Amino acid sequence: DQQVKQNSPSLSVQEGRISILNCDYTNSMFDYFLWYKKYPAEGPTFLISISSIKDKNEDGRFTVFLNKSAKHLSLHIVPSQPGDSAVYFCAASGATGNQFYFGTGTSLTVIP
Amino acid sequence: EAGVAQSPRYKIIEKRQSVAFWCNPISGHATLYWYQQILGQGPKLLIQFQNNGVVDDSQLPKDRFSAERLKGVDSTLKIQPAKLEDSAVYLCASSLFPNSRLGVQETQYFGPGTRLLVL
Repeated sequence: DQQVKQNSPSLSVQEGRISILNCDYTNSMFDYFLWYKKYPAEGPTFLISISSIKDKNEDGRFTVFLNKSAKHLSLHIVPSQPGDSAVYFCAASGATGNQFYFGTGTSLTVIP
Repeated sequence: EAGVAQSPRYKIIEKRQSVAFWCNPISGHATLYWYQQILGQGPKLLIQFQNNGVVDDSQLPKDRFSAERLKGVDSTLKIQPAKLEDSAVYLCASSLFPNSRLGVQETQYFGPGTRLLVL
């Protein structure tokens, strides 16, 4: 049972434009959400997180939006750069522990 | 600060053989996780340690998988005997605190993973 879903396996964006990666979850007990970035042959690297008490968190070019009623979060990258090309995973966890449930990932390609 | 170390980086074995992976977490991190990532899927938690105790191993196939963290620092994950469907990347991660009781969620830091191919 996939509790965290990323329905777009891939996304291509022109350099300088906005990249929007989407993630949906089913478990209403999730209250902490993260985005990880993964390059080939490397482990996932933490990018940005958001707690359920917020609906937006910003860090430089990266902004995560959370819509609790829709059980949806998105990652915006503005402006997109070729170095952003990677697989992006969203993950969620609940208040009862630190187990993170990961989505299947979205492969982002930023075209120069 | 040194990151999470894993070895080996790659391993090829035949089915029914045994294999072991090693992980050294970030210094001072109490919690250690082993994940399995099958191609095209997100990482799936196999086992979570807090210091040298097991917190969650509900998704660990205990008939063939075992893991230990004897001194509360580095950890070993073993598969015996391996099956074809065990082909995956095995990721180790660590975090400073085990849970969110303090109202602070801890980020997990991942190692580079061990890519296992079972033939």
